[in-house]
Amino acid sequence: GAGVSQSPRYKVAKRGQDVALRCDPISGHVSLFWYQQALGQGPEFLTYFQNEAQLDKSGLPSDRFFAERPEGSVSTLKIQRTQQEDSAVYLCASSLLQGRTEAFFGQGTRLTVV
Amino acid sequence: GENVEQHPSTLSVQEGDSAVIKCTYSDSASNYFPWYKQELGKRPQLIIDIRSNVGEKKDQRIAVTLNKTAKHFSLHITETQPEDSAVYFCAASMTGGADGLTFGKGTHLIIQP
Repeated sequence: GAGVSQSPRYKVAKRGQDVALRCDPISGHVSLFWYQQALGQGPEFLTYFQNEAQLDKSGLPSDRFFAERPEGSVSTLKIQRTQQEDSAVYLCASSLLQGRTEAFFGQGTRLTVV
Repeated sequence: GENVEQHPSTLSVQEGDSAVIKCTYSDSASNYFPWYKQELGKRPQLIIDIRSNVGEKKDQRIAVTLNKTAKHFSLHITETQPEDSAVYFCAASMTGGADGLTFGKGTHLIIQP
């Protein structure tokens, strides 16, 4: 596609609800990353995929957060039993080659937990 | 892990003047330093990047300098224009690429007409 696409753009969840956020990377991009951006802060790394392999999940804040990329293209970030502190913009980025090329960001999903 | 400090948090300059944003990093193994511009409600967009084998890089009105010894890098914008108003983030990576970036907290650049 023309760019990294994320859906939904906005999500309001009641505390305790499960949510799933989708990322469509640029076609052919090997690397995919998820970041969390709190209001007024810089993006913070959550997890990284190379094709379907999740190579780094050190940034996931708790075991309520789970990410997958089963076929090496579309990725889903799932948050179980959402809490208010999960409210943030979740950004997805992809790059063509691991460690060699620019990462392109999606517009993000703004999650508000009420 | 890596820690990136960025300052100032807010910078207001007159249109036409220059703006400088500075960042420091903690891990000497970091070797890739991109700068992103993020307008309100929009995605971060790469404006310039530098790798550790280079001390300076320039692209029209934008330049980045890197001092590996001191572990700091800076963004310079000359002849600022109203459309330069945005939040700018510096970042550092240890792998020589774009995965696992550690971002600074951002600088809100305001261009006064």
